[in-house]
Amino acid sequence: QVQLVESGGGVVQPGRSLRLSCAASGFTFSSYGMHWVRQAPGKGLEWVAVISYDGSNKYYGDSVKGRFTISRDNSKNTLYLQMNSLRAEDTAVYYCAKADKVLMVYASCFDYWGQGTLVTVSS
Amino acid sequence: EIVLTQSPGTLSLSPGERATLSCRASQSVSSTYLAWYQQKPGQAPRLLIYGASSRATGIPDRFSGSGSGTDFTLTISRLEPEDFAVYCCQQYGSSPFTFGQGTKLEIK
Repeated sequence: QVQLVESGGGVVQPGRSLRLSCAASGFTFSSYGMHWVRQAPGKGLEWVAVISYDGSNKYYGDSVKGRFTISRDNSKNTLYLQMNSLRAEDTAVYYCAKADKVLMVYASCFDYWGQGTLVTVSS
Repeated sequence: EIVLTQSPGTLSLSPGERATLSCRASQSVSSTYLAWYQQKPGQAPRLLIYGASSRATGIPDRFSGSGSGTDFTLTISRLEPEDFAVYCCQQYGSSPFTFGQGTKLEIK
């Protein structure tokens, strides 16, 4: 069965960096686009970034563009999110999610989600 | 950016009743690339409906989706106790892949 397990969250000071990981299993990781989505405490879902199946295409939400970098290692079945210049408003649970269609980034909903990892940005 | 507005913010109903949730887009959603997710406290979202009206794997047939263009609806025909949760719509036809703010379905 599909499993997505996030790790790397924690408490970090404003301006510092953090790298999240998402270990995938139960499907052919290298055939699917992958997303990061976040949810601030008590708030709704906010899409963060997506990477294509081969890593050649990456897209970001405006609130993280230029600060966050999405990447993947298909040999390790792992998705990453490098977060730099962190701000208090980046505090959230970060979920990785799998695109439902093979090889597609657009026109592909999110069919499996991890349980999330909490990032708290505070001095 | 396509903005999705859900209504109502909170819906109070009893088990056995019918629930109708609305999602309105600020511009037309490409080819009905509209999904609905269910989220319970402390849990990850779960895909319910994709393509505006197709049920995801394992989703009971009491859940149904409809709509096109800018107006979409999620209907739960007869509420079960486990259906009380937050429901969120999402468009995935164009970047950024925006979500609605959610409708909380609570027990009356």
